[in-house]
Amino acid sequence: AQSVTQLGSHVSVSEGALVLLRCNYSSSVPPYLFWYVQYPNQGLQLLLKYTSAATLVKGINGFEAEFKKSETSFHLTKPSAHMSDAAEYFCAVSESTGGNQFYFGTGTSLTVIP
Amino acid sequence: KAGVTQTPRYLIKTRGQQVTLSCSPISGHRSVSWYQQTPGQGLQFLFEYFSETQRNKGNFPGRFSGRQFSNSRSEMNVSTLELGDSALYLCASSLGTVLYEQYFGPGTRLTVT
Repeated sequence: AQSVTQLGSHVSVSEGALVLLRCNYSSSVPPYLFWYVQYPNQGLQLLLKYTSAATLVKGINGFEAEFKKSETSFHLTKPSAHMSDAAEYFCAVSESTGGNQFYFGTGTSLTVIP
Repeated sequence: KAGVTQTPRYLIKTRGQQVTLSCSPISGHRSVSWYQQTPGQGLQFLFEYFSETQRNKGNFPGRFSGRQFSNSRSEMNVSTLELGDSALYLCASSLGTVLYEQYFGPGTRLTVT
């Protein structure tokens, strides 16, 4: 069975500082991994995805994530935070072997301090 | 290409009533999944439909049901509403048999009073 753990339900960073949001997964089969962002009163928007190609994945808005199998991690980073990055971020995992269900983490709320 | 649309966006119902939510997936997408999002429980999977068949189901009571039509549009029904059903209900569509990625609609905010 798959599961996702997001460490830190709330993260605050200063504008211009590094953003690091942590995600660890558990999967009995090779996983597909995703990061989504949710702005207030909106649905989820896909930031980036890992589907067994390059382990360093680049997404939209300057975000990237690195798949580390040995650490079962898929942390999200951005070199320099912008005020517009303030939102809720969700990590998700699905099976690569034909599964059709996503398992989401509990989310991390990012605050950017001016 | 138009995104996933959900109607209505906001809904207020009374305890004991029933409600039907609608989701129109991205054109060409055959898989539709439904999620319930609450502050306390986060995103919880309700069910997934593919080609008019329920392919996967989460751990929700039978009061929650859904269906998918031949044009891939999907509806979700909740009967005998409870206060705890107040949530944002999100619909997501996906292209095919393996969920490479899902595209989410804006959600329907259901308030049960």
